[in-house]
Amino acid sequence: EVQLVESGGGLVQPGGSLRLSCAASGFTSSDAWMNWVRQAPGKGLQWVGRIKSKTYGETTDYAEPVKGRFTISRDDSKNMVFLQMNSLKIEDTAVYFCSTPAFSASDFTGWGQGTLVTVSA
Amino acid sequence: SYVLTQPPSVSVAPGKTARVTCGEINTGSESVHWYQQKPGQAPMLLIYSDSDRPSGIPERFSGSNSGNTATLTISRVEAGDEADYYCQVWDSTRDHYVFGTGTKVTVL
Repeated sequence: EVQLVESGGGLVQPGGSLRLSCAASGFTSSDAWMNWVRQAPGKGLQWVGRIKSKTYGETTDYAEPVKGRFTISRDDSKNMVFLQMNSLKIEDTAVYFCSTPAFSASDFTGWGQGTLVTVSA
Repeated sequence: SYVLTQPPSVSVAPGKTARVTCGEINTGSESVHWYQQKPGQAPMLLIYSDSDRPSGIPERFSGSNSGNTATLTISRVEAGDEADYYCQVWDSTRDHYVFGTGTKVTVL
C-alpha cells in the first residue's frame, strides 16, 4: 500500500525559506514520478511541481506561480522527495501534499496527509 | 492560463443522481481524472482515465468525457457522498497538471 508522509511545514516570514519532506513507502518510489500539490485555506487544489524518476532524468517542472522560487529534489536511497521553498510569499500559505500516480502518468493516486505552511509576518 | 471550470455547488436529494461537469477541456489534454475530498482529509482518486474506477470505489460513481466536457455522475446519492469534487487533466502542451475549480456536493 502506498504511504506518503509529509513533514517540515510551519510558520515562516515573507521572504523566508522552508524545506518540506515527503517519505514514501509501500511501493518502489525510485520508479515513481512524484508531485507536490497545495491547497490554500478554503480554496481548491493547485499543482505545484513534479520530479520524474531517474530513468527520465529526474526532470522537474513547476507551476508558474512558484517557478524560480521552489525546487523539487529526490533521494531514492532514502525514499524521500523534497520541496525547497525560497522567497516565500503570503499567497504560498497552504497545505502541501505530495502525491504519486499509479494508473497512468497523469493521475494522483497516492496522497500524503499534507503539511501546513503559513507565511505571515 | 488553462482553467477547468466546474459549477461551485451541486445539491441533490438522497437516492437521486448528481452530475458534476468539468470544462473546457483543451485539445492536447489527455484523460480526465476525478477526486473526492472531505473536510480535513487529503483528496482521494475516484475516477481515472475518464471512466475507470480504482478498486474499492463504488459503481455508483462513474465518469464520461465528450472531448470538450467531462462529467462525474453519482447515482443513488448517499449522505456520505457530501464532499468537494475536483477534475484534473494533464496539459501536454506545457507538461503541466491542471485541477478544476472544484464543486461542493451537498446532500439535502
